[in-house]
Amino acid sequence: EDKVVQSPLSLVVHEGDTVTLNCSYEVTNFRSLLWYKQEKKAPTFLFMLTSSGIEKKSGRLSSILDKKELFSILNITATQTGDSAVYLCAVRGGTSYGKLTFGQGTILTVHP
Amino acid sequence: EAQVTQNPRYLITVTGKKLTVTCSQNMNHEYMSWYRQDPGLGLRQIYYSMNVEVTDKGDVPEGYKVSRKEKRNFPLILESPSPNQTSLYFCASSYGQGAGYTEAFFGQGTRLTVV
Repeated sequence: EDKVVQSPLSLVVHEGDTVTLNCSYEVTNFRSLLWYKQEKKAPTFLFMLTSSGIEKKSGRLSSILDKKELFSILNITATQTGDSAVYLCAVRGGTSYGKLTFGQGTILTVHP
Repeated sequence: EAQVTQNPRYLITVTGKKLTVTCSQNMNHEYMSWYRQDPGLGLRQIYYSMNVEVTDKGDVPEGYKVSRKEKRNFPLILESPSPNQTSLYFCASSYGQGAGYTEAFFGQGTRLTVV
């Protein structure tokens, strides 16, 4: 059975801190790993990673994939209160790459 | 504007009364899928469709039906809803195999309550 596990499940930090969110996976026929941010509405896309060792960056957010060890991390530097959200990791795989399996999510709370 | 549109956004219904949640996308995406989101369980895939007339089960398909007669629409049908189907439902779409399976774009969600 395909499985995606995120850690920690929740995290409380203060503005300016740096956080690292983890995502490990066991998925048949891996195609890509995706990170989403969800703020009480639909998830919004952050990154898609397909190759090992190549960092994707967008402003203060960055992510990297390790296909050998089957995990990914999402880093957020200089956190702001607007970063407070649930961060979701999802892995695409399965026959014809139709399955998208999500982790439970990490609830990030950033205090002023 | 590129978007995935779900209707209705909120629905309260009674056990056993058939209902359909519609999903439509205007991006010419091949791939569409349905998810339910429950506290502590994240998003779980119900069904997905790789293209018109091609559908397959996700992780939690029991009690649901789908159809894909046109590329833009992918309705979710609950033939006989039960209280354990009370949940937040999301539809999503993306480009498929030809474009390398881009990121999934999500609709705004449908909050369903079955009493």
